[in-house]
Amino acid sequence: AQRVTQPEKLLSVFKGAPVELKCNYSYSGSPELFWYVQYSRQRLQLLLRHISRESIKGFTADLNKGETSFHLKKPFAQEEDSAMYYCALSHASGGSYIPTFGRGTSLIVHP
Amino acid sequence: GAVVSQHPSWVICKSGTSVKIECRSLDFQATTMFWYRQFPKQSLMLMATSNEGSKATYEQGVEKDKFLINHASLTLSTLTVTSAHPEDSSFYICSARAGLVFDTQYFGPGTRLTVL
Repeated sequence: AQRVTQPEKLLSVFKGAPVELKCNYSYSGSPELFWYVQYSRQRLQLLLRHISRESIKGFTADLNKGETSFHLKKPFAQEEDSAMYYCALSHASGGSYIPTFGRGTSLIVHP
Repeated sequence: GAVVSQHPSWVICKSGTSVKIECRSLDFQATTMFWYRQFPKQSLMLMATSNEGSKATYEQGVEKDKFLINHASLTLSTLTVTSAHPEDSSFYICSARAGLVFDTQYFGPGTRLTVL
C-alpha cells in the first residue's frame, strides 16, 4: 500500500536559515509527487510537483527513487514561508489516480 | 487561476439531521473531485473520489450510506452527511482536478461542520 511519511510535525528555524522538510514515500509503482502548502487562514494550494522540476518561491524538491524521498528545500527561509506543508503522492487505483497525503509539517520561521 | 468554492463555509446542526455541502469548480470543468476530512492538527484524510456521471469510490472505512456523494455535472459535486452525529463534526474539504494524474488539484476553502 502507498504511504507518505513526513517525520517532523513541526520545524522551527530563523529567518535566513536553510530549510529542509522531509518526505518519504512507499509505493510499488512510478510515483507522482507533490508538495502542497497551506498558509494561515487560506486554502491548500499546490507548491510544486516533481515532474515540473521547477523552483517556486525559492523552494525545490528532488525525487530520489533510491531513497524514496522527495524532500522540500529552501536555502534561505523567509518569515512568509511560515505555513503548513503537505507532501502528497498520486497513485493509480481502480482506473483513476488518487492522492495520498502525509500528515503535514508546520514550518515556523522566526524573525 | 482555477477556483473551487464550497458552500456553506460553516454549518451547525442538530444530531440526526442531514447536511449537504456543495463543491463547485468555478472556471474549469472538473472530471474528478475529491472529498477530504481534516481533523484538528492532522492531515487530510481522503474520503472518496468522485468522477462526473459515475458513482463515487469510497476509501476503506468510509461509510457510503452515511456520506452520500453526487457528482452530477462537471462543475458540481455534493457531499451529504446523513443522520449526522457529534463524531461527524469536522472540517470537510473538496478538491477538483481537470483531468490527468499530474494535473493540479485545486482545493476549496473547506466547510466546518459542527453537530450538536
